[in-house]
Amino acid sequence: GAVVSQHPSRVICKSGTSVKIECRSLDFQATTMFWYRQFPKKSLMLMATSNEGSKATYEQGVEKDKFLINHASLTLSTLTVTSAHPEDSSFYICSARIQDTEAFFGQGTRLTVV
Amino acid sequence: GQNIDQPTEMTATEGAIVQINCTYQTSGFNGLFWYQQHAGEAPTFLSYNVLDGLEEKGRFSSFLSRSKGYSYLLLKELQMKDSASYLCAVMDSNYQLIWGAGTKLIIKP
Repeated sequence: GAVVSQHPSRVICKSGTSVKIECRSLDFQATTMFWYRQFPKKSLMLMATSNEGSKATYEQGVEKDKFLINHASLTLSTLTVTSAHPEDSSFYICSARIQDTEAFFGQGTRLTVV
Repeated sequence: GQNIDQPTEMTATEGAIVQINCTYQTSGFNGLFWYQQHAGEAPTFLSYNVLDGLEEKGRFSSFLSRSKGYSYLLLKELQMKDSASYLCAVMDSNYQLIWGAGTKLIIKP
């Protein structure tokens, strides 16, 4: 299957700093990528839909100024958590779809804000 | 509203068979997915059903009935490594994935 690479897999940062997470589709072009957040023992929560060359579409309740998404090319989308706080600590996962079929997931990033 | 229901937790014995059910109510339907997720890892794709019937792939099979809004994932010859959460997701009319909360499957020797 298609490969989606997410980096870093783990990051610890200090409160108030910003963290950038990268999501790359390695062997296909992804016009649309999705960013999810997962709390312990909970299902995936869609944060935003990232479209190449245009602004991301954020889900209700997700702060667009705090979670900056950039989809600069057909193979790269980035999520930047700005001014991180301990409550932002979570597991962040990106996914990309080939047209309207199955979604391929990155490995996930465990963010810990101290 | 849109809703996906699946059991929170199930327990089964190594070597046995287990069926994980998923019922859904969504705005439109463009396919149903099953994913496996081990603790601390991202989900991995297991199956995709868009037509009624049974899709078999090795030890795993997935069934869909669109008229009943119902699917199940069948796991045969259970192995300890099958202990994981199994997520049911439906693609709605806008091609958005609606996720169930996941079923934690515990395999006992």
